[in-house]
Amino acid sequence: NAGVTQTPKFQVLKTGQSMTLQCAQDMNHNSMYWYRQDPGMGLRLIYYSASEGTTDKGEVPNGYNVSRLNKREFSLRLESAAPSQTSVYFCASVVQETQYFGPGTRLLVL
Amino acid sequence: AQTVTQSQPEMSVQEAETVTLSCTYDTSESDYYLFWYKQPPSRQMILVIRQEAYKQQNATENRFSVNFQKAAKSFSLKISDSQLGDAAMYFCAYRRVYNFNKFYFGSGTKLNVKP
Repeated sequence: NAGVTQTPKFQVLKTGQSMTLQCAQDMNHNSMYWYRQDPGMGLRLIYYSASEGTTDKGEVPNGYNVSRLNKREFSLRLESAAPSQTSVYFCASVVQETQYFGPGTRLLVL
Repeated sequence: AQTVTQSQPEMSVQEAETVTLSCTYDTSESDYYLFWYKQPPSRQMILVIRQEAYKQQNATENRFSVNFQKAAKSFSLKISDSQLGDAAMYFCAYRRVYNFNKFYFGSGTKLNVKP
């Protein structure tokens, strides 16, 4: 039982490049979230998926797209990376009010 | 928009002592939920305590209790008899009643516990 896994752990991108952050959970949860965590700003919700096949915008969705591929996987895509997207990205799988976070992806956009 | 503010980036407490972490929030809604989460180095966000806004009684979970002041939009966490295992980041969070998937987090308070 691995919980929530994220890949990659660290990535450096140039402005304008694209990439997809992968997230998978093996706990059979319906809800999955993507957050970004910036110093002094805490966690901000980017997108969430209440169940397989559904996705909704969170607090800061601009510049991102998501795909809930199946119940296990929820990916986050940056189509054209910008320096403002430098952050630590966390995926979470949620049951009731307990949120199980992945280890995070550190993204640096130059 | 809902905002959650934690004004103490870092705090320290002696083992067995009591510490209070502050949280304020802004909302125009009358009914909502408030939470305190603990994030140890393992990164898992652990629910510490939950408060429904319509309840006047302050929530308590063992050594953890809250002081919920609805009019002041204040929601502080008191940890009694602090233990070394309490050392972690603590996040205050808000969730609307009718959009239960959206959590709004504060910036966090790092709690150090000194032996």
